[in-house]
Amino acid sequence: DQQVKQNSPSLSVQEGRISILNCDYTNSMFDYFLWYKKYPAEGPTFLISISSIKDKNEDGRFTVFLNKSAKHLSLHIVPSQPGDSAVYFCAASARNAGNMLTFGGGTRLMVKP
Amino acid sequence: NAGVMQNPRHLVRRRGQEARLRCSPMKGHSHVYWYRQLPEEGLKFMVYLQKENIIDESGMPKERFSAEFPKEGPSILRIQQVVRGDSAAYFCASSPAGLGYGYTFGSGTRLTVV
Repeated sequence: DQQVKQNSPSLSVQEGRISILNCDYTNSMFDYFLWYKKYPAEGPTFLISISSIKDKNEDGRFTVFLNKSAKHLSLHIVPSQPGDSAVYFCAASARNAGNMLTFGGGTRLMVKP
Repeated sequence: NAGVMQNPRHLVRRRGQEARLRCSPMKGHSHVYWYRQLPEEGLKFMVYLQKENIIDESGMPKERFSAEFPKEGPSILRIQQVVRGDSAAYFCASSPAGLGYGYTFGSGTRLTVV
């Protein structure tokens, strides 16, 4: 029962172009969403988050969009840089589930110079 | 400014042995979480602890796995009688309190069962 899904296991983008990573969820109780970035042999690093009361949050080159009716969120990276190459995980939490995060399976982003 | 410290980074155990994974949270963080990442999968929640208390262990396998976060010292994830299927990366995270957006992850312990 995968409550958070990232349907694209990998994505390849040219440097300078936009990267769009997608995430779908099924649990309507989720009210906070996060994106983490992970390099090999390291732990996930928090990137950006969004509360369910918003539909957009921006931080520099990174923007997260939330479509509650579609239970869909996306992470936009523009312009993409080779250093952005990593695995990106979306995660969700629900107020009634304490502090537990439910993660998607990840999308490997490759930004080509 | 030490982050979340996990050790060892790599651990090799034979089937049937015990594995002990340690996690020291960030300074000032009183909440510890353990997650497991199986090969080619996302991270799966295992257990959430505060000092001397298990708050949520809904993700822990019913047998062979246990976790503690004593008053003094690191949090320990213990796996008894390891099997090949326990081979995974185990990540610890800590937060000051409250909500998931405060998480900081450690670099993980990669357990290999041979």
